[in-house]
Amino acid sequence: AQKITQTQPGMFVQEKEAVTLDCTYDTSDPSYGLFWYKQPSSGEMIFLIYQGSYDQQNATEGRYSLNFQKARKSANLVISASQLGDSAMYFCAMRGGGTASKLTFGTGTRLQVTL
Amino acid sequence: NAGVTQTPKFQVLKTGQSMTLQCAQDMNHEYMSWYRQDPGMGLRLIHYSVGAGITDQGEVPNGYNVSRSTTEDFPLRLLSAAPSQTSVYFCASSYSPTGIGANEKLFFGSGTQLSVL
Repeated sequence: AQKITQTQPGMFVQEKEAVTLDCTYDTSDPSYGLFWYKQPSSGEMIFLIYQGSYDQQNATEGRYSLNFQKARKSANLVISASQLGDSAMYFCAMRGGGTASKLTFGTGTRLQVTL
Repeated sequence: NAGVTQTPKFQVLKTGQSMTLQCAQDMNHEYMSWYRQDPGMGLRLIHYSVGAGITDQGEVPNGYNVSRSTTEDFPLRLLSAAPSQTSVYFCASSYSPTGIGANEKLFFGSGTQLSVL
């Protein structure tokens, strides 16, 4: 069974600072994908970044980067130069390989960006 | 470019009533799924489908039925609503049921906020 753990229910960061949101995972699948989604107060789910289990380099998408440490089974999201619009819930999720793979979500981290 | 369309956005039911949450996607995605989101519990998979005519249970299927008669549509039925089904429901789809690459990210609908009194 797949499991995603996000141990930070809430985080605060000052505008223009960097912040790291933690995510650890557990799976028996040899290949898998890791995803981060953002959910602003409006409620929609916005895809941010993806990391494949066999990718050699950490993924980056603009101000978002994923600190992938396979041996530790961690996939932390790093947001650089935080903006007020980054205030939202952030979910880490994993999809295992194989037929009918399912996306398993963590419980989320609420990020608040302050002036 | 509609993506994943969910209706209704809000719904209030009385215990025991039935209803169907509609979900349609126009991206020719094989994989469709329903999640519920509850405070402190993240998103939990209710049912999913890997193609027309094929459905399977997720993590929390009790009290819900699904069917997939076309590639585009994946309705979720509550046969006898209970207060425990008060939640926000998301429909999501992806291109392939088996891929794990970046292109296999889920596209989400805007959600349905359901209250059962």
